[in-house]
Amino acid sequence: DIQMTQSPSSLSASVGDRVTITCRASQSIRSYLNWYQQKPGKAPKLLIYGASSLQSGVPSRFSGSGSGIDFTLTISSLQPEDFATYYCQQSHSFPRTFGQGTKVDIK
Amino acid sequence: QVQLKESGPGLVKPSQTLSLTCNVSGGSISSGGYYWSWIRQHPGKGLEWIGYIYYSGSTHYNPSLESRLTISVDTSTNQFSLKLTSVTAADTAVYYCARAPGYSSGFDIWGQGTMVTVSS
Repeated sequence: DIQMTQSPSSLSASVGDRVTITCRASQSIRSYLNWYQQKPGKAPKLLIYGASSLQSGVPSRFSGSGSGIDFTLTISSLQPEDFATYYCQQSHSFPRTFGQGTKVDIK
Repeated sequence: QVQLKESGPGLVKPSQTLSLTCNVSGGSISSGGYYWSWIRQHPGKGLEWIGYIYYSGSTHYNPSLESRLTISVDTSTNQFSLKLTSVTAADTAVYYCARAPGYSSGFDIWGQGTMVTVSS
């Protein structure tokens, strides 16, 4: 199985901050990397697919980059509604696997 | 707009079979190109992919669950289902159904999730 490792596991930030979350795959997954946002009690929401493509309806302050093994999710200016847990997921190989999550909370 | 909704018992006894159904509305499960999936989340934990089914019936399962798992599709009712046998407390989780719009795509539509507790 491809292991997905996110860092940090949690972070505290303020509204307006630039936030960066990284995800590393245990082997190359080319650009088959997706990012999700999950709020408590809710299903995950797809933000970024194919490492850098913004899902329809997702604000442009979210962006993704990377290929191969290392990937980044950036929130350019954190908004109150962005406090949540973020997961990366690889869709290169079976079984599909997720990172352990990064919880973003209010500083 | 396609919507997914899970249904099934919220409580299952140990050693029994967990059965869930995902109802697809707003679109046909047979339209092709989409992969219909089950994903679970243990309480307070991360996400675990369970398996996929295509409308034709072809499947991919997580090897960690494969020996106990069956995912099926019923195009006549626009539903797909999960059966997990010989459950234990370790199968207690929120179970989500989700859609991937391509073989190597992310999951773009999710159900609301249903909590399943395994307990006697």
